[in-house]
Parts: sequence; C-alpha cells; structure tokens
Amino acid sequence: DAGVTQSPTHLIKTRGQHVTLRCSPISGHKSVSWYQQVLGQGPQFIFQYYEKEERGRGNFPDRFSARQFPNYSSELNVNALLLGDSALYLCASSSLSGAGDLFFGEGSRLTVL
Amino acid sequence: AQRVTQPEKLLSVFKGAPVELKCNYSYSGSPELFWYVQYSRQRLQLLLRHISRESIKGFTADLNKGETSFHLKKPFAQEEDSAMYYCALKKYYGGSQGNLIFGKGTKLSVKP
Repeated sequence: DAGVTQSPTHLIKTRGQHVTLRCSPISGHKSVSWYQQVLGQGPQFIFQYYEKEERGRGNFPDRFSARQFPNYSSELNVNALLLGDSALYLCASSSLSGAGDLFFGEGSRLTVL
Repeated sequence: AQRVTQPEKLLSVFKGAPVELKCNYSYSGSPELFWYVQYSRQRLQLLLRHISRESIKGFTADLNKGETSFHLKKPFAQEEDSAMYYCALKKYYGGSQGNLIFGKGTKLSVKP
C-alpha cells in the first residue's frame, strides 16, 4: 500500500494566484482531512470530508475550499494567495468518520512569493 | 478554548537517559489525547493514544486530568528516538466527528 499520496510535492506561486492541491487516501479510507503546517508550528486543521460531504471546518477564510470525489480522493483549493499561505499542506485519511488514527501524507510545500 | 501546549521546543538527552516530553491541554469535557511523531524525512505518524494505554517503542503516556497533562515518557532513550514529537487533542464537532488540535511540537535529540 502506497499510503496517502499528495501532489504536487512542491510548488511556488505568486500573490493573488490560485492553487489546487490533491490527495489520494489509503485504499478503503473514506475520510480525508486537510491540515496546514506553518514553519515552527504544529499542523492546524482546515477541513474534514467524509463520504464526500464536508464534516468539519477549521478557522480559515473562505479563500480556502475543498471537495471530495466519488473515489474518496480530495482537492484543496486556495484562492487569492497571500504570503502567509506559505506552508506545508498535509492530507490525512482515516477509515472512520472521526479524527482518530489519522494517516498522513508527506505534504505539499507551497511557497507564495 | 481548546489548546495543547508543549513548553519545550527542543529537548536534548544522552543515550540511555530517561526522557519526558511535556504536554498540557485545555479542554472542557473528557479529552482524547494522542502523540504523533515525525522522524527525519518521514511523514507524521501516530505513536500512541491515551485510550489504548499502550506502550509503543518503549514510550508511555499517562493522562493526568488533575494536572491536565499527557506527558510522554521513556526510561532509556535511544538514538533512533530522535524526532519531532507532537501532542494532539481530539476536538469533537458533532457525534463522532472531530479534528485534532496539535501542539507546536518538541524536537527530541538523543546524543550518543
């Protein structure tokens, strides 16, 4: 099993642009969560999707959105990028609807210039 | 507000010495706590959860509700324990749905 896979691994954008990050969960996992990790901080919750529905949302502006597809993969979209959006974006999958036993991907490193 | 505090950014010990990584939490209700670990060049992974009362790689953690703490301990540190350790609290937002609130992490360095 390849585990949770994320793409791209690294990307550079400029302020005002839009970015789409992708995540494929572990086979059989129906829950996907997104976390933002700024340098020197722990991961911060952005969204959780279960069975293609948004089940939870963290304290992030509306510029952040996500969706989950029928195959349980997920996309995180960020519009109107700001310098402060530079971070490692982590995707985690779980076999349950709750948050316990999260399996994380390696992350997508976003740099906003 | 729910919060997880890891007061030490860096903890450095010698091989064979005891290790204690501190974690304090703030949560109204019955908390569920976890320790996650990230080894160099590896992804973040679950180390242990308090409800399992398990010992993983020699590490244990006891929930102390009176002191609102969930410190991670190991009696004899090994060099391969060097990693970034994150304490996390599950925050419920509906039924069994919830997300994790992470602390800022403690970097453990075990010297030979």
